[in-house]
Amino acid sequence: DTGVSQNPRHKITKRGQNVTFRCDPISEHNRLYWYRQTLGQGPEFLTYFQNEAQLEKSRLLSDRFSAERPKGSFSTLEIQRTEQGDSAMYLCASSLMNSPRDTQYFGPGTRLLVL
Amino acid sequence: AQTVTQSQPEMSVQEAETVTLSCTYDTSESDYYLFWYKQPPSRQMILVIRQEAYKQQNATENRFSVNFQKAAKSFSLKISDSQLGDAAMYFCAYTDSGNTPLVFGKGTRLSVIA
Repeated sequence: DTGVSQNPRHKITKRGQNVTFRCDPISEHNRLYWYRQTLGQGPEFLTYFQNEAQLEKSRLLSDRFSAERPKGSFSTLEIQRTEQGDSAMYLCASSLMNSPRDTQYFGPGTRLLVL
Repeated sequence: AQTVTQSQPEMSVQEAETVTLSCTYDTSESDYYLFWYKQPPSRQMILVIRQEAYKQQNATENRFSVNFQKAAKSFSLKISDSQLGDAAMYFCAYTDSGNTPLVFGKGTRLSVIA
């Protein structure tokens, strides 16, 4: 069990550019979640998957955001035409549905700065 | 919609003393889960403790325990024998089940004074 990993850990981009983040969940976990955390706030839910199916998207997830989880393993979160308001920490978490201790485990996050 | 409120933006405690962090929540569900997560500076969020709403017994994990008051919709975290490594942001979180998206409070920043 190597834990949830996220890459890159930091990303600086210019407004209008596209960025893509990757999340590798704990290997046997079938649910994967994306959250966004701005300074001084708690994480806010963006979207989540069960295997490769995207089950729910938050209203926070504008049409510039897209997430995928091909083959039900790793997931990518893409932001197109980035805006300064997209600057935040993007957190990924995973869990095993129907396990006795179904709890979400978090990765280290990707910190995005849009200039 | 469910909401989670942490009314203490910052708290401090002397090393070896006890501190209690407050959390209230709002839900119309009868079955749900509550969590406390710890986020050290520049480090990832880790689970401290969880509580299932159907369990009357308060959860305990070593020096960490909760006071779960279902009727009052209150879920406080008690840290005993505080250590320097306990300094972090603490987030209270709610979910209808263990595998649905979490709703977080705004967090409480805990400082531990040597």
